[in-house]
Amino acid sequence: QVQLVQSGSELKEPGASVKVSCKASGYTFTTHSINWVRQAPGQGLEWMGWINTNTGNPTYAQGFTGRFVFSLDTSVTTAYLQISSLKAEDTAVYYCVRDNKMIEFDYWGQGTLVTVSS
Amino acid sequence: QSVLTQPPSVSAAPGQKVAISCSGSSSNLGNNYVSWYQQLPGTAPKLLIYDNDKRPSGIPDRFSASKSGTSATLGITGLQTGDEADYYCGSWDSSLSAGMFGGGTKLTVL
Repeated sequence: QVQLVQSGSELKEPGASVKVSCKASGYTFTTHSINWVRQAPGQGLEWMGWINTNTGNPTYAQGFTGRFVFSLDTSVTTAYLQISSLKAEDTAVYYCVRDNKMIEFDYWGQGTLVTVSS
Repeated sequence: QSVLTQPPSVSAAPGQKVAISCSGSSSNLGNNYVSWYQQLPGTAPKLLIYDNDKRPSGIPDRFSASKSGTSATLGITGLQTGDEADYYCGSWDSSLSAGMFGGGTKLTVL
C-alpha cells in the first residue's frame, strides 16, 4: 500500500535550519510528483510547491522562495524539505503529499511539526 | 485571504444533510478540476473527492460533489458525529500557475 512517512517533530531556534524527510513506499516513486503543504497552528492548508520526481526540478509557490528547498534522493525514494534562517512564523505542520494530477493529492504524509522558538 | 472562498463553518444535526460551497474564478474552478479534502481533528487531510465529483475507493456515497462554472459544492448526507472535521476545496490556478486551497469549513454535527 502507498505510504508517505515523514520524519519526527523538530524544535529549532530562530535562524537555524531544518530538514524534513518524506519516505515514499508502495508505488514507483518517479511516477508521481511530491508536493509540500503547510498548515500553521489553527490555520488552513497552504500549498508550498512541488518537485518533479523524474527530473528533480522544484517549483516554489509565491512566498516560499529563497529559504525553502525541495530535494530528492531517488535511491531511497525520499523527498526532503529544507528551511533555512527559520523564523517564528515558520512554526507549522508540514505535509508531503503525492500528487496524482494537478492538486489531486491522493496520499498524505502524517505531517511534521516544526516549532521555531528560542 | 484564499483565492477559493469557503464558509468558515456549517452545522447540522445528526442524520441531516449539509452543503459546503467553494467559490473561485475562471482561472481556477472555471477551467480546472476541484478536489475536496476532509481533515479530522489532529490528523492529516484525506482526499474525499477528485475530478469535481469522483470518490476514491473507500469513501462512502454519503459524500458527493458537483461543480458549475466557478463554484463547487460538497454535499454530505446522513450526517454522523464522526463527520465533524474541517473540509477544504483545492484546485489549480492557471493564471498564477499555483495550487490553492479554500480557507476551510468547519463542520459541526450538533
